[in-house]
Amino acid sequence: EAQVTQNPRYLITVTGKKLTVTCSQNMNHEYMSWYRQDPGLGLRQIYYSMNVEVTDKGDVPEGYKVSRKEKRNFPLILESPSPNQTSLYFCASSFRWLAGEETQYFGPGTRLLVL
Amino acid sequence: SQQGEEDPQALSIQEGENATMNCSYKTSINNLQWYRQNSGRGLVHLILIRSNEREKHSGRLRVTLDTSKKSSSLLITASRAADTASYFCATGDYKLSFGAGTTVTVRA
Repeated sequence: EAQVTQNPRYLITVTGKKLTVTCSQNMNHEYMSWYRQDPGLGLRQIYYSMNVEVTDKGDVPEGYKVSRKEKRNFPLILESPSPNQTSLYFCASSFRWLAGEETQYFGPGTRLLVL
Repeated sequence: SQQGEEDPQALSIQEGENATMNCSYKTSINNLQWYRQNSGRGLVHLILIRSNEREKHSGRLRVTLDTSKKSSSLLITASRAADTASYFCATGDYKLSFGAGTTVTVRA
């Protein structure tokens, strides 16, 4: 089944404890991205990747890191999480790098609580 | 920065009625997409409209685009309980911007 998977789905952690949220797609998509969703603010893009080893900042990249070493995986790293990173996170992918022309396929989301 | 802004923030309608929501954006676009989100789940693509199109249909969905006003509307006709969701517009080329969304509640 064609899908975007994220792990973990739920995570409670403490301030400063490094964590990684994984994202994987099995559709051979070029483009992958991360969003956070907060009440009243909609989705805000954190980072995106147009292909392997090509990543760039979205609108809210502070406090996050990403890497794209393989086409199928795009992990989101929080080196030192803080409570203001408590949010619902989504990974998405699309076939081609020109995301605006492509259907974005979203993962199921990861709920993160930073205490 | 958020490019698109949906209006209204929330909408409550009776089953069978039509629901209309609007999206305004700030800079010129090549395409605009609409997505649906059911209760905290991942977004699902509904429709894409190109800048040279004025109207597009998909089932009970009708999308219009007015590039002179930098706005788009999404109309859901003959709404059903299953249409209860949040709806988002998205713009951008390789860096996508989503609005804050319109939450639609369809009452039985």
